[in-house]
Amino acid sequence: DTEVTQTPKHLVMGMTNKKSLKCEQHMGHRAMYWYKQKAKKPPELMFVYSYEKLSINESVPSRFSPECPNSSLLNLHLHALQPEDSALYLCASSNEPRGDGELFFGEGSRLTVL
Amino acid sequence: QKEVEQNSGPLSVPEGAIASLNCTYSDRGSQSFFWYRQYSGKSPELIMFIYSNGDKEDGRFTAQLNKASQYVSLLIRDSQPSDSATYLCAVMESQAGTALIFGKGTTLSVSS
Repeated sequence: DTEVTQTPKHLVMGMTNKKSLKCEQHMGHRAMYWYKQKAKKPPELMFVYSYEKLSINESVPSRFSPECPNSSLLNLHLHALQPEDSALYLCASSNEPRGDGELFFGEGSRLTVL
Repeated sequence: QKEVEQNSGPLSVPEGAIASLNCTYSDRGSQSFFWYRQYSGKSPELIMFIYSNGDKEDGRFTAQLNKASQYVSLLIRDSQPSDSATYLCAVMESQAGTALIFGKGTTLSVSS
């Protein structure tokens, strides 16, 4: 069982909707990540939070808005998405500052934009 | 643009054979290298990580790293049908701390 929990597992939304993806970990990890994965493609890094501060934003469109309310929670707010944003959104955490890079992934939230 | 390159496959091996998966990377400053396995529709799971040149063995898996050649590989001995999955090579960016950059993955098919 994964120790990174993502909700919802599946989400279908229209282009005018506002929704959020949620991620939670209780391993004491201080770095959390959002990755986007399209079918038959590798995960693409979107955002990195380190000690609850946004440290990396890989030029992601503003219709994706991350939020890290505390060290255990990570949200991804979605607004005015496009059909091409349909993908598996993966949350991950790692144990900084040890920085060995081992990521623990959640099971993902599969997003479909109509 | 930092890149991680893998042969997408599919790589097909019979049950019991050795599967060899290869990966090259462009960031010469990279220090940490990872192999993740991903079953269809599931999230990636860590198989091996390696930091030092040479070989690292864990059960049926051996990771090999050659920093001079910017090359990392994964050997799977006594391949089983349950090993059939996509194997993702990942490299930690030297400038970005703990952000992993993934290769496109190699699909392995083990036939019984």
